[in-house]
Amino acid sequence: GQSLEQPSEVTAVEGAIVQINCTYQTSGFYGLSWYQQHDGGAPTFLSYNALDGLEETGRFSSFLSRSDSYGYLLLQELQMKDSASYFCAVRFMDSNYQLIWGAGTKLIIKP
Amino acid sequence: DSGVTQTPKHLITATGQRVTLRCSPRSGDLSVYWYQQSLDQGLQFLIQYYNGEERAKGNILERFSAQQFPDLHSELNLSSLELGDSALYFCASSVGSDSYEQYFGPGTRLTVT
Repeated sequence: GQSLEQPSEVTAVEGAIVQINCTYQTSGFYGLSWYQQHDGGAPTFLSYNALDGLEETGRFSSFLSRSDSYGYLLLQELQMKDSASYFCAVRFMDSNYQLIWGAGTKLIIKP
Repeated sequence: DSGVTQTPKHLITATGQRVTLRCSPRSGDLSVYWYQQSLDQGLQFLIQYYNGEERAKGNILERFSAQQFPDLHSELNLSSLELGDSALYFCASSVGSDSYEQYFGPGTRLTVT
């Protein structure tokens, strides 16, 4: 089957580093995307990993391990504006390459 | 601003009614996706159109239907509305038919009373 798991909520302090994990259970995995959604806003694309390893984009990095069916989003130098929900989404070959979305992780940042 | 537009922004209607949500994709994008997001929930994929043809179907109810027109804008029709249909409805677009990078519109907040 196709399922994604990510923590429902993570709390961190401004200026710190936080990691949001995503595990998936399926065959035919194709790639892992991350999206950010502020309250009341639309999701915005952050990153995509198709191959193992780390992709870095400014303060945000995304990691994938295909052998472990696991990925994470790493946010560094946290700012209050990073308070949002973060969704992982996976492409599967047997779902016509459609994105299957996790339930989202609410990131709460404290000063 | 993603370049994807959705109208209306808010919609309040009664149970049993029918509504139409409209989406215009980014210039050059051929795919349009529809998603439903209930309060504090994840995104539920409803349906995708690519260049006017239905490409993929998700958890879309039979009371819901969609289409993509020759100018590539899309409409989502929701009929026989129930209280549980109250949600944010997002439209997203992408260049290709199987893109991991989708651009989302601001959403239509539907309230069924």
